[in-house]
Amino acid sequence: KNEVEQSPQNLTAQEGEFITINCSYSVGISALHWLQQHPGGGIVSLFMLSSGKKKHGRLIATINIQEKHSSLHITASHPRDSAVYICAVNREYGNKLVFGAGTILRVKS
Amino acid sequence: GAVVSQHPSWVICKSGTSVKIECRSLDFQATTMFWYRQFPKQSLMLMATSNEGSKATYEQGVEKDKFLINHASLTLSTLTVTSAHPEDSSFYICSASSWRRYNEQFFGPGTRLTVL
Repeated sequence: KNEVEQSPQNLTAQEGEFITINCSYSVGISALHWLQQHPGGGIVSLFMLSSGKKKHGRLIATINIQEKHSSLHITASHPRDSAVYICAVNREYGNKLVFGAGTILRVKS
Repeated sequence: GAVVSQHPSWVICKSGTSVKIECRSLDFQATTMFWYRQFPKQSLMLMATSNEGSKATYEQGVEKDKFLINHASLTLSTLTVTSAHPEDSSFYICSASSWRRYNEQFFGPGTRLTVL
């Protein structure tokens, strides 16, 4: 079993829909990251979380440390949100990232 | 967030030649830089971790003589793919972090390498 599991693997949504991507992990962590990778390949760091909730524009990330679970929400989705969303965790000790397999999101207009 | 650049963004080379990829942190001093490789439709695979002024730490299975990493300053790390072969064709991404920025990793835009 992978240390970081994401669901769903693929997600197609209609423009305007509320989207949730989930991430579960099985190791002790110091931080969890949500990353966005567009078709061109570049990666953008969306959030780094160690507790609670963060919001940036239409994006919201939450983490429940006890349940070892995080969610990324996109409100009022738009075709430009189409990308691969990757959950990654810093293990409790050390600064290497462990990556989930990614969620391919396609938002149709 | 902080800005990390990579150069070149893409490169095509002949088999047997060496290719150097640069990774720069533009607005902060990176105490650690990471080099990743990504195959199509797969997640990132960590190749090595480099700390400024010391030798890189390579992940298991990554040939250190083939993928030479130099981290000569707090803003620059280079990855040299030596004697490149077609199977080295891939997307290479670097990231930079600093303990002053809570070790958050900031990613470069990536370099697409094609070896003919």
